Amino acid sequence: IAGITQAPTSQILAAGRRMTLRCTQDMRHNAMYWYRQDLGLGLRLIHYSNTAGTTGKGEVPDGYSVSRANTDDFPLTLASAVPSQTSVYFCASSDGSGHTDTQYFGPGTRLTVL
Amino acid sequence: GQNIDQPTEMTATEGAIVQINCTYQTSGFNGLFWYQQHAGEAPTFLSYNVLDGLEEKGRFSSFLSRSKGYSYLLLKELQMKDSASYLCAVSANDYKLSFGAGTTVTVRA
Repeated sequence: IAGITQAPTSQILAAGRRMTLRCTQDMRHNAMYWYRQDLGLGLRLIHYSNTAGTTGKGEVPDGYSVSRANTDDFPLTLASAVPSQTSVYFCASSDGSGHTDTQYFGPGTRLTVL
Repeated sequence: GQNIDQPTEMTATEGAIVQINCTYQTSGFNGLFWYQQHAGEAPTFLSYNVLDGLEEKGRFSSFLSRSKGYSYLLLKELQMKDSASYLCAVSANDYKLSFGAGTTVTVRA
């Protein structure tokens, strides 16, 4: 069982370029999340999806978009990358059954925008 | 917004006990989670508390006081592999997790 996979592992990107971070889970979880982690700030929620076909905005959504066409995949797109989007990005999922949901995290993508 | 505070760093000796405190002020409360994160890796689930009291799980225990907005994670019989960041996270009214900045624990021989 792979759990959650993310791709790429790391990426260096020129400012202004478009980039999609991929996330796939094989646990049939309903809910999926995207976080960014910056030193001293902890994990901050970017976007989430409670179930396939629905998405919502988190704490820091500006500059990012997501889609949830099916249960397994939850890609995060940076339409025009800026240096402030340099961060480590984690995808997570939970079964979405209620407030006791435990979130399981992917290995992360380290993104540098120059 | 949510406010979750935990110390930035702690150092302890192998075999000792360390207590990591977390205080929170959130809009509603649906539970508190502790995650462990080794450098360069993903956070992994350690514990969940929704009722007041102590939850023990091997060498790790987690305590919650809802009236005080306070939790702690207790790590006993410290091992070198316990050197990591420990993240406190609260599930509030919207059931989304809000994370503290994390506490980096360094275990010395």
